[in-house]
Amino acid sequence: GQQLNQSPQSMFIQEGEDVSMNCTSSSIFNTWLWYKQDPGEGPVLLIALYKAGELTSNGRLTAQFGITRKDSFLNISASIPSDVGIYFCAGHSGGYQKVTFGTGTKLQVIP
Amino acid sequence: KAGVTQTPRYLIKTRGQQVTLSCSPISGHRSVSWYQQTPGQGLQFLFEYFSETQRNKGNFPGRFSGRQFSNSRSEMNVSTLELGDSALYLCASSLEDSYGYTFGSGTRLTVV
Repeated sequence: GQQLNQSPQSMFIQEGEDVSMNCTSSSIFNTWLWYKQDPGEGPVLLIALYKAGELTSNGRLTAQFGITRKDSFLNISASIPSDVGIYFCAGHSGGYQKVTFGTGTKLQVIP
Repeated sequence: KAGVTQTPRYLIKTRGQQVTLSCSPISGHRSVSWYQQTPGQGLQFLFEYFSETQRNKGNFPGRFSGRQFSNSRSEMNVSTLELGDSALYLCASSLEDSYGYTFGSGTRLTVV
């Protein structure tokens, strides 16, 4: 089945630093999604990408849909304490296929 | 508008018992998906319902089942609970052909 490898698994950064994380797949996706999960809550959609090469921003967050359609990247600029949480990538290959989630990147921001 | 509502938030059950979890999607959303989240396995897809029909099913044993009602509310049932079923169960709803899920806060199931 489809697998999504997300890296890094966890990271500690200083407040104000930029953050990069990525997701790679063994197969092609038509849609890439990035979610953030706060403790005790469900994931919240941050950015959705629908086209290879697409670059989309949401405030300090920028995500890209890789040209090969097998990868995606999320960047967070000027991190702040409330960025703490687990970030998940997710991919969808179209039709009635399920959405597949990555294993998550746990982000800790040191004030 | 109201978000996705999952009840109960927390549940403790004994091995061998069964449990039913409930999910009310956002009004107008006809697709409901269920995921199991554990620290070691991440978010694992259970099943998806659309207009009362199961469209997709993950690789879980038959002890895990679900259904969707005509008002799009969904329930999932786990029978003969095992310790390994302890997890956060998340429900997500979406508009037809949209995969930008909105998740509920989940039901934390503990099996003792």
